[in-house]
Amino acid sequence: SQTIHQWPATLVQPVGSPLSLECTVEGTSNPNLYWYRQAAGRGLQLLFYSVGIGQISSEVPQNLSASRPQDRQFILSSKKLLLSDSGFYLCAWSTTGWNQPQHFGDGTRLSIL
Amino acid sequence: DAKTTQPPSMDCAEGRAANLPCNHSTISGNEYVYWYRQIHSQGPQYIIHGLKNNETNEMASLIITEDRKSSTLILPHATLRDTAVYYCIVKFGGSQGNLIFGKGTKLSVKP
Repeated sequence: SQTIHQWPATLVQPVGSPLSLECTVEGTSNPNLYWYRQAAGRGLQLLFYSVGIGQISSEVPQNLSASRPQDRQFILSSKKLLLSDSGFYLCAWSTTGWNQPQHFGDGTRLSIL
Repeated sequence: DAKTTQPPSMDCAEGRAANLPCNHSTISGNEYVYWYRQIHSQGPQYIIHGLKNNETNEMASLIITEDRKSSTLILPHATLRDTAVYYCIVKFGGSQGNLIFGKGTKLSVKP
């Protein structure tokens, strides 16, 4: 069966520091991969999605970036964190094809001080 | 903005069926209905999805009205662990993103 792993589960970072969140998927090949952010009490906002290695689409301009160095690895990065980057970051995957559902990891709760 | 309307909260007795309604009166012909749930501090969990036919899996059943303007998620025998926020989402099946989560329904299963 397929599993998705995100780490770390919790992260506290100072303003201006860099960020690297990692997500890996097991048990499937060539998945679509997604990064979402959920602000407190609000819905999910799609940040990036990828349909293959090195292929990244950005949905919202910001100081975050994403990379997909391997088929089942998706990384969310920032060179300099802002206070507004605080939130709950979720990685998700889906198989390619019509109407396939997305499956989420357990998320990383990021607090910027 | 979410294309769905759900009641903000519902209660259900443990062991009874939980019926969660969703209104999606502006749904278009190629959009699917997806249901997810989220337990506090965890990622959303996929439950079920459908286009126009009723669907059933090991977790739940999805009943979609003939005009597709509303649907109902049925948890046949609710347990305390089913307490969560349930989200009904309408999305074009072929798009690469974006699941637009509304405010959902907070289901409380009580002993």
